[in-house]
Amino acid sequence: QLQLQASGPGLVKPSETLSLSCAVSGDSVSSNIYYWGWVRQPPGKGLEWIGSIYFSGSTYYNPSLKTRVSMSVDTSNNQFSLKLTSLTAADTAIYYCARHSAIRHTSGWTPLDFDSWGQGTQVTVSS
Amino acid sequence: EIVLTQSPATLSLSPGERATLSCRASQSVSSYLAWYQQRPGQPPRLVMYDTSNRATGIPARFSGSGSGTDFTLTITSLEPEDFALYYCQLHWTFGQGTKVEFK
Repeated sequence: QLQLQASGPGLVKPSETLSLSCAVSGDSVSSNIYYWGWVRQPPGKGLEWIGSIYFSGSTYYNPSLKTRVSMSVDTSNNQFSLKLTSLTAADTAIYYCARHSAIRHTSGWTPLDFDSWGQGTQVTVSS
Repeated sequence: EIVLTQSPATLSLSPGERATLSCRASQSVSSYLAWYQQRPGQPPRLVMYDTSNRATGIPARFSGSGSGTDFTLTITSLEPEDFALYYCQLHWTFGQGTKVEFK
């Protein structure tokens, strides 16, 4: 059974960098079928896709966050990670890691449905 | 950029009633639309993918339909556990959600 477990610091100061990891069990991040993504949900608000990564290291990021986001995959530990820089209070949210499939095309790939989600980790940006 | 608009924002219904949730795209889109259910304190759960395919473990009272710009999630007879938030999603974009609440 697939499980994803996000972990991170919980509380981060403004202007600092957030680092989150997502440990995967029951599947391999080296899968050539699935992709691995991050989605966040500010308190009382909807879902916002942050970005996704393929085992090869290929990434796509939300254009509104692109200048502040980076993702990586660690196949030896079966996990993937998110870094978000220059944090503000607007980045306060629950951060979910999730697995999804994608359509592949000549110029890259486009996400389809997110079929498995981790429980999420609360991140608060405050001094 | 495609925008997904869900309506209504809130649907007040009683158990046993039919729920019809709408998701409208800002331009004609493919059939890869998905729906998620989110209960309080829980992560989203995939309910429907590719417009009309139920995800694993989703009961038959859930159905999806639509094409072009207009898509619908229907719950034929609401069970107590169906009262939750529902989001539609296409590629990078999520709708703003519809809350199905007890009347």
